[in-house]
Amino acid sequence: EPEVTQTPSHQVTQMGQEVILRCVPISNHLYFYWYRQILGQKVEFLVSFYNNEISEKSEIFDDQFSVERPDGSNFTLKIRSTKLEDSAMYFCASSVGQGREQYFGPGTRLTVT
Amino acid sequence: GESVGLHLPTLSVQEGDNSIINCAYSNSASDYFIWYKQESGKGPQFIIDIRSNMDKRQGQRVTVLLNKTVKHLSLQIAATQPGDSAVYFCAEKETGGYQKVTFGTGTKLQVIP
Repeated sequence: EPEVTQTPSHQVTQMGQEVILRCVPISNHLYFYWYRQILGQKVEFLVSFYNNEISEKSEIFDDQFSVERPDGSNFTLKIRSTKLEDSAMYFCASSVGQGREQYFGPGTRLTVT
Repeated sequence: GESVGLHLPTLSVQEGDNSIINCAYSNSASDYFIWYKQESGKGPQFIIDIRSNMDKRQGQRVTVLLNKTVKHLSLQIAATQPGDSAVYFCAEKETGGYQKVTFGTGTKLQVIP
């Protein structure tokens, strides 16, 4: 069964550094998403992406965040200058269409020290 | 504002019994509801969804009930198994082409062998 994959599984970085989290969505899916989950809290929406542009973003997704689909398979989330409060699990998801179920990857645990 | 919340943070059930996990929502604009299962260290896994034009939907061992009058959603798991132990999130999505899924706080289901 096709699945969303994410790399790395765990990323440790120092405050102020840039990080790029990578995702490979399911191949025939057209909508891509990033969510985050701070330890012990609920999953929060960050951004959705369709047709090579952001279609929706939350207030969390400020100028420090950016997304990109650099090729036909990868979908990345970049945090320009990490802060301690960016420490969380970051989940990528994809769906075949608008309003269809979103399938989540296993997540990348980001630890900012 | 929008809010999706769960009535009970932890639910313990005996193996073989039925489980019922409840969820309340407050956003009248929500028209699509999803239940996710999250096992430790993994991403949310889609279980079942329901649209607002339905009040019941059944899957394999799971049933979702939607009561739009009181803005209540429930997930019923028949013959609960140890593998059902996880955190269960209800989530909602608004009409109008919005992509973001808003998650509730989660209920931890513990299955007692």
